[in-house]
Amino acid sequence: SQKIEQNSEALNIQEGKTATLTCNYTNYSPAYLQWYRQDPGRGPVFLLLIRENEKEKRKERLKVTFDTTLKQSLFHITASQPADSATYLCALPARKLIFGQGTELSVKP
Amino acid sequence: NAGVTQTPKFRILKIGQSMTLQCTQDMNHNYMYWYRQDPGMGLKLIYYSVGAGITDKGEVPNGYNVSRSTTEDFPLRLELAAPSQTSVYFCASSATSGQLNTEAFFGQGTRLTVV
Repeated sequence: SQKIEQNSEALNIQEGKTATLTCNYTNYSPAYLQWYRQDPGRGPVFLLLIRENEKEKRKERLKVTFDTTLKQSLFHITASQPADSATYLCALPARKLIFGQGTELSVKP
Repeated sequence: NAGVTQTPKFRILKIGQSMTLQCTQDMNHNYMYWYRQDPGMGLKLIYYSVGAGITDKGEVPNGYNVSRSTTEDFPLRLELAAPSQTSVYFCASSATSGQLNTEAFFGQGTRLTVV
């Protein structure tokens, strides 16, 4: 069955550094992949979508890569800020919309 | 524009009781989803719908039922509540763009406790 895996361990980084989060998938060949942000007690909010023919996509301080050979997406936040602290989820959309378990990011001042 | 609205926000149920979680969206989206999220865990898909009259099982459908009689509404029914159904439930919707789903919009969640 389709499986999505994200780093289950929380990621703690210093303000100003680059955070890199990983999303791996198996038994699936998605045409595209999405990344969401979730704050405590709230529903996820869409951040970025990357298509299989796009190797990289940027939005302000966010950068996403998509390697269909490795079956992996990397999510980068450059010049991180404490306000970036949240849980970040990747999702594989098809008829179903399946999420990874999310990686909690904590940015310390 | 309200987006996705869930009711209630909080509910405590006794074991064996039943209830319906309501979800409505005003964006004319074809796709709607129900997820549950246990503490510290990711979102697990319970049921989804690709349009009015069409529903299908997700990853964890046991103990739940859904219906989709209109584009706007997608209620989730718990028939015999069990402690294992204690969770936060999220409803979401998305449009379609050709063969691709666009971004999903989520409701604010329903926190359900079964005692």
